[in-house]
Amino acid sequence: GAVVSQHPSWVICKSGTSVKIECRSLDFQATTMFWYRQFPKQSLMLMATSNEGSKATYEQGVEKDKFLINHASLTLSTLTVTSAHPEDSSFYICSAREGEAYNEQFFGPGTRLTVL
Amino acid sequence: GQNIDQPTEMTATEGAIVQINCTYQTSGFNGLFWYQQHAGEAPTFLSYNVLDGLEEKGRFSSFLSRSKGYSYLLLKELQMKDSASYLCAVLDSNYQLIWGAGTKLIIKP
Repeated sequence: GAVVSQHPSWVICKSGTSVKIECRSLDFQATTMFWYRQFPKQSLMLMATSNEGSKATYEQGVEKDKFLINHASLTLSTLTVTSAHPEDSSFYICSAREGEAYNEQFFGPGTRLTVL
Repeated sequence: GQNIDQPTEMTATEGAIVQINCTYQTSGFNGLFWYQQHAGEAPTFLSYNVLDGLEEKGRFSSFLSRSKGYSYLLLKELQMKDSASYLCAVLDSNYQLIWGAGTKLIIKP
């Protein structure tokens, strides 16, 4: 099946620093990639949707200047959390989809971010 | 507004059968997904229904009734490894995936 990788798996950083998370589709071309955030015991919250080569579409309430998304190629998207604060600590998960919207999304393993 | 309802938590016994319900009110419908998510891990795909009826895949089956805005996930011969959260998600008219809050399934020996 399709594989999506995420790097790093976990990261601890100091408040005020920036963190970059990579999401790669390993064996298919991800025309669309999604970034989610999940707080403990809560459901997935979609942060943004990105199509290769175009700007990401952010969900309401998500600051695009704080969460920078780059979908530079059909196999790579990055999420940069700028000037991270403790309230940004969460589980960040990317997913990727090839082609039509009714195709399933393949999820990466997630990145656990802890901001001290 | 768009809404997806599923029970917060369910408990079942190893070897038994459990049905997890999902009701939805969305702007349009282009299919319903079920995903399984173990604690601390990302979701994995279980099923996709776009037509009414039952789709069977091994121990797992998923049912859809579009007229009732209703789906269920049926798990048979429960195993301890089935303890997880089960997420229902609907693809709306804009092909945006609307997620339910998930049902935490606890399996007891």
